[in-house]
Amino acid sequence: QSALTQPASVSASPGQSITISCTGSTNDVGYYDYVSWYQHHPGKAPKLMIFDVTKRPSGVSNRFSGSKSGNTASLTISGLQADDEADYYCTSYTSEYGYVFGTGTTVTVL
Amino acid sequence: QVQLMESGGGLVQPGGSLRLSCAASGFTFSAYGMHWVRQAPGKGLEWVAVIWYDASNKYYADNVKGRFTISRDDSKNTLYLQMNSLTPEDTAVYSCARDHKGGYCTGDSCYIDFWGQGTLVTVSS
Repeated sequence: QSALTQPASVSASPGQSITISCTGSTNDVGYYDYVSWYQHHPGKAPKLMIFDVTKRPSGVSNRFSGSKSGNTASLTISGLQADDEADYYCTSYTSEYGYVFGTGTTVTVL
Repeated sequence: QVQLMESGGGLVQPGGSLRLSCAASGFTFSAYGMHWVRQAPGKGLEWVAVIWYDASNKYYADNVKGRFTISRDDSKNTLYLQMNSLTPEDTAVYSCARDHKGGYCTGDSCYIDFWGQGTLVTVSS
């Protein structure tokens, strides 16, 4: 199972918005509405930010939003803040009863 | 609150074996599916395996199938990963993670919700 494709890095200034893409195939992102996004600070446990493409767990800021079109899902962070600086991973359920992760995107707040 | 604590990592020679454990607390362990996920040094996250809440089904990534075995002991609230025939490509931080439900997709929902911090496995001679 090939990893989902994400941009290696995205950067923006505080207060701006960024969008991270996550491209898969008709075996995963394109078929299932089961895309999740995780925020990962190295050395810490990843944190769930978005699940089922658009849903936010309680406690996650509404500055984080998710969407999907065809084989590509997206995570948008609006009003970028310094503590948003982290690695972000998408993941999708697959037709093989497991999950496939994205390649990861490092978000830098300038 | 949900806590997942991995242990058992270390240095092992190629071809060797290792068993990882994950102690769970803060939730009803027997009601949830559980996953193992790994991250090689400098690389991204990689899903390894899942076991359903009742252990009736287990699924593996293709590159560990036949070498790794996921299991659980609900009496001890503990998840395991038995790793055999290890290669340097298995070097990674291994984390256990909780499924949102029983380990399977529930109609309109399917995701992993909580993770541990992981334990490092190094395969090297």
